[in-house]
Amino acid sequence: ETGVTQTPRHLVMGMTNKKSLKCEQHLGHNAMYWYKQSAKKPLELMFVYNFKEQTENNSVPSRFSPECPNSSHLFLHLHTLQPEDSALYLCASSQEDRPIYGYTFGSGTRLTVV
Amino acid sequence: AQTVTQSQPEMSVQEAETVTLSCTYDTSENNYYLFWYKQPPSRQMILVIRQEAYKQQNATENRFSVNFQKAAKSFSLKISDSQLGDTAMYFCAFRGGLNAGNMLTFGGGTRLMVKP
Repeated sequence: ETGVTQTPRHLVMGMTNKKSLKCEQHLGHNAMYWYKQSAKKPLELMFVYNFKEQTENNSVPSRFSPECPNSSHLFLHLHTLQPEDSALYLCASSQEDRPIYGYTFGSGTRLTVV
Repeated sequence: AQTVTQSQPEMSVQEAETVTLSCTYDTSENNYYLFWYKQPPSRQMILVIRQEAYKQQNATENRFSVNFQKAAKSFSLKISDSQLGDTAMYFCAFRGGLNAGNMLTFGGGTRLMVKP
């Protein structure tokens, strides 16, 4: 356990469902991130939150909606997804003013859209 | 924009031998940070080793060491005395300096198989 916890670990959802992914960190970090990891593709940065404020949205479709209620929690709300959205979704956190420490990752949520 | 390239999609090595994974990057910055992450089948991305660009000395962490060539923009990872538990995907990552934003840019990864 690295200090970043993601739930659920696995999720199967239909294209008309609404679900949420949760990420929680107890490291005192002030930045949190969502990444998408698909087979045979590089990790794709989706969203960045610094001090609870969204600072990056890398042209992510609106069917993905992030929420950061405080610096310890990050959600990814999903609705009307497509089969190509099936992937491993990784959450990470970092201390923004200490770049040498890199990111701490969670174990990811394996999402399957049917 | 920074790019990170890992030219070896897959590699294999015999247990107890040494293997080197390649990584090159492109940046116009002078101060930045480089990382190697390991992702075993458990999916957890684990930080293996890190390097600050302004430090000339190559970083080492037990059996893991890097060969950082700043002029060539190269950051290779050497694993000595390979163990079966080293089997994983390895990702090279780049982060700019404090004023460049805090995003990590990852390479495409190298799948390493350690054979008994």
